[in-house]
Amino acid sequence: NFMLTQPHSVSESPGKTVTISCTGSSGSIASNYVQWYQQRPGSAPTTVIYEDNQRPSGVPDRFSGSIDSSSNSASLTISGLKTEDEADYYCQSYDSSNLVVFGGGTKLTVL
Amino acid sequence: EVQLVQSGAEVKKPGESLKISCKGSGYSFTSYWIGWVRQMPGKGLEWMGIIYPGDSDTRYSPSFQGQVTISADKSISTAYLQWSSLKASDTAMYYCARSLSGTTFSYWGQGTLVTVSS
Repeated sequence: NFMLTQPHSVSESPGKTVTISCTGSSGSIASNYVQWYQQRPGSAPTTVIYEDNQRPSGVPDRFSGSIDSSSNSASLTISGLKTEDEADYYCQSYDSSNLVVFGGGTKLTVL
Repeated sequence: EVQLVQSGAEVKKPGESLKISCKGSGYSFTSYWIGWVRQMPGKGLEWMGIIYPGDSDTRYSPSFQGQVTISADKSISTAYLQWSSLKASDTAMYYCARSLSGTTFSYWGQGTLVTVSS
């Protein structure tokens, strides 16, 4: 079964840059698009990155996505961290049968 | 404005049946997939399955196949997630989400909290 692995938690200070990784278990993560969702406490998820590196309208350009084929991983980078960025972040992709897979989620603490 | 509005919170007993809903508006309901995602208390997101209201094409995660039924009524732009016999382990928040491709989600509903307790 295809799986996506994320770090359980990351923390960084306001104004700094943080990168959250998402590693695919098999195959090439570059073969299928990766999305990133933000979930603030008590709220529904929202999309911050789709199709590897595209930002929906309204998402600030402090958020960026990338793919590293050499490590079979995707990354979400947030620059100029703000306290409002504190949330859980989930990566998501799909397998060869188009079945959707989520990563386990990463808790971002901005302190 | 695209909106997905889900039905309200439910409290049920084990063994009871339940059907929750997700009503889409502000777009062509039959042109986008609607997926369902479970989030158990304090846990991550789990994909349950997805339906294309245009032709009712439905796919399930192997983890949820046979455990739930996903359906849609395109005449009222509403998708459904139903259980025939709830278990305590079905206690969770359930989200619907819209997808153009069936594999990436753009808009999310506000969630429906289902509590199953005797």
